[in-house]
Amino acid sequence: QKEVEQDPGPLSVPEGAIVSLNCTYSNSAFQYFMWYRQYSRKGPELLMYTYSSGNKEDGRFTAQVDKSSKYISLFIRDSQPSDSATYLCATPSGNTPLVFGKGTRLSVIA
Amino acid sequence: DSGVTQTPKHLITATGQRVTLRCSPRSGDLSVYWYQQSLDQGLQFLIQYYNGEERAKGNILERFSAQQFPDLHSELNLSSLELGDSALYFCASSARGLADETQYFGPGTRLLVL
Repeated sequence: QKEVEQDPGPLSVPEGAIVSLNCTYSNSAFQYFMWYRQYSRKGPELLMYTYSSGNKEDGRFTAQVDKSSKYISLFIRDSQPSDSATYLCATPSGNTPLVFGKGTRLSVIA
Repeated sequence: DSGVTQTPKHLITATGQRVTLRCSPRSGDLSVYWYQQSLDQGLQFLIQYYNGEERAKGNILERFSAQQFPDLHSELNLSSLELGDSALYFCASSARGLADETQYFGPGTRLLVL
């Protein structure tokens, strides 16, 4: 079983929709969870960072961790065409600084 | 702009050849990471350096090697290249190389092996 699994999509939504992006992880010892956003032909950039369980909100973005089900989510409210990108979840694992999911490609259609 | 620079942006070479990718970290960052991104494997950690010393090793092939120099820039050397080495190679940096730090990624080097 991969340490972090993510549905690759692609996901296509109309502008203004609420987007839900999800990952599952295998090791209950994982504590830090990140969401990176990667625009086409660019490097990933950190979007959200959460520690342990619960929610964290930043503007239109909410990151949620459910440790009981080993599930992490990123919600985007009022999605915009500029949100079109690949979203990658990631977590430190043992000696590996970051293990990434394969990424979900999101398109927001105007 | 993350502050991490990578050269070259694109590289086209032939099987069996050797190439060197270069990375300059953000000002003040002591740790450098290398990642490989391909369509089938996603973003995979290769190796991490902290202040010139190797700190962590991931799925890096024996044909690949890296180093971090006293001025903190890093180079990733790929030798005996195979078609399957075609990928995006990213460098990232962070302040002290700790698990809870933000890693800042460069724009990547796109390698095509023909």
